[in-house]
Amino acid sequence: AQSVTQLDSHVSVSEGTPVLLRCNYSSSYSPSLFWYVQHPNKGLQLLLKYTSAATLVKGINGFEAEFKKSETSFHLTKPSAHMSDAAEYFCVVSVTTASKLTFGTGTRLQVTL
Amino acid sequence: EPEVTQTPSHQVTQMGQEVILRCVPISNHLYFYWYRQILGQKVEFLVSFYNNEISEKSEIFDDQFSVERPDGSNFTLKIRSTKLEDSAMYFCASRNGDTQYFGPGTRLTVL
Repeated sequence: AQSVTQLDSHVSVSEGTPVLLRCNYSSSYSPSLFWYVQHPNKGLQLLLKYTSAATLVKGINGFEAEFKKSETSFHLTKPSAHMSDAAEYFCVVSVTTASKLTFGTGTRLQVTL
Repeated sequence: EPEVTQTPSHQVTQMGQEVILRCVPISNHLYFYWYRQILGQKVEFLVSFYNNEISEKSEIFDDQFSVERPDGSNFTLKIRSTKLEDSAMYFCASRNGDTQYFGPGTRLTVL
């Protein structure tokens, strides 16, 4: 079985400050991990993915995540938040890249002036 | 940039009625998926589809649900007799390589 736990349901940061969205995973196999973002009334957009290559993964819009097997974590970071980053972020795991995706409960990121 | 599209964006129906949710996957993709998100809950996998047949389905995907690729472009999810608990956002996705691309969703409300 596979699962992800997003440790914060809501994160609020000031514009220009760092963003950290936390995710821990559980998987019987070496997982593929993803972060998706959902802006209001929009579909789920892929931010970045880890598929057993480099453990530090860079995505779109300045986001990156580091796969840490010893900690079973895949936290999402960004050095400087922008107002347009306000959205819902989902950590997602799959056993293989071909299989179904298992979603976390989501973290709502609020960015204030 | 190619996108997955879904219609309608909102669907309101009476309990017991049949609904068909439509999706147009990205044109060169071969793997298709449906997920749903009940308000306030996780996004949940329903079914995956490849080569004109279901490749995997969840326990949610019971006999009330069916999927079809009626032509070369559409991918549909049918719910035969809707229940109140079917109210959710339904997402279609298609896959190329290791990435699933999602549509904007259809919000289904069952009254």
